[in-house]
Amino acid sequence: QKEVEQDPGPLSVPEGAIVSLNCTYSNSAFQYFMWYRQYSRKGPELLMYTYSSGNKEDGRFTAQVDKSSKYISLFIRDSQPSDSATYLCAMREAGGTSYGKLTFGQGTILTVHP
Amino acid sequence: GAVVSQHPSRVICKSGTSVKIECRSLDFQATTMFWYRQFPKKSLMLMATSNEGSKATYEQGVEKDKFLINHASLTLSTLTVTSAHPEDSSFYICSATGLRRTTDTQYFGPGTRLTVL
Repeated sequence: QKEVEQDPGPLSVPEGAIVSLNCTYSNSAFQYFMWYRQYSRKGPELLMYTYSSGNKEDGRFTAQVDKSSKYISLFIRDSQPSDSATYLCAMREAGGTSYGKLTFGQGTILTVHP
Repeated sequence: GAVVSQHPSRVICKSGTSVKIECRSLDFQATTMFWYRQFPKKSLMLMATSNEGSKATYEQGVEKDKFLINHASLTLSTLTVTSAHPEDSSFYICSATGLRRTTDTQYFGPGTRLTVL
């Protein structure tokens, strides 16, 4: 079993739809949770960064973390064609010898069509 | 967000030659830099972690003599692929993190596409 599971998709939605992306994980030591967006042939771009459980909103993006269920989500409201990309969840422990190391999900390919 | 650059963005080389890729943090001091490899439609595979002024820590299965990493300053790390072969062709991405950043996470460079003929 992988430490982080993410449905690779692909996911195709019409413009304006609400998109829900999810990851589950098995390591209870993960404390920091991130979502990255990666366009084709580019490096990942940090979208959301959250610590422990709870919600965080930034514009059309909302990140949710449920540590009790080991489940994180990213919601995109009013999706746009420019949101078409691969979305990677990532997480890391709080400290120790693996400080700073991220564990990534496989990435979900999202296409928003006009 | 933080800016991390990579150079070159794309390189084509002959089998047996060595290729150096540079990773720079442009607006913060990167205490730690990471090097990843990514295959098409796959997630990022961590190759090594480097802290400024010390030897890199390589992930299991990554040949340290083939992938030489140098992190000589707080703004520059280099990855040298020695005696490159076609199977080394891939997308190489670096990331950087620094304790002074508000968000203590990794900021990624734009990647370098290596093609070995």
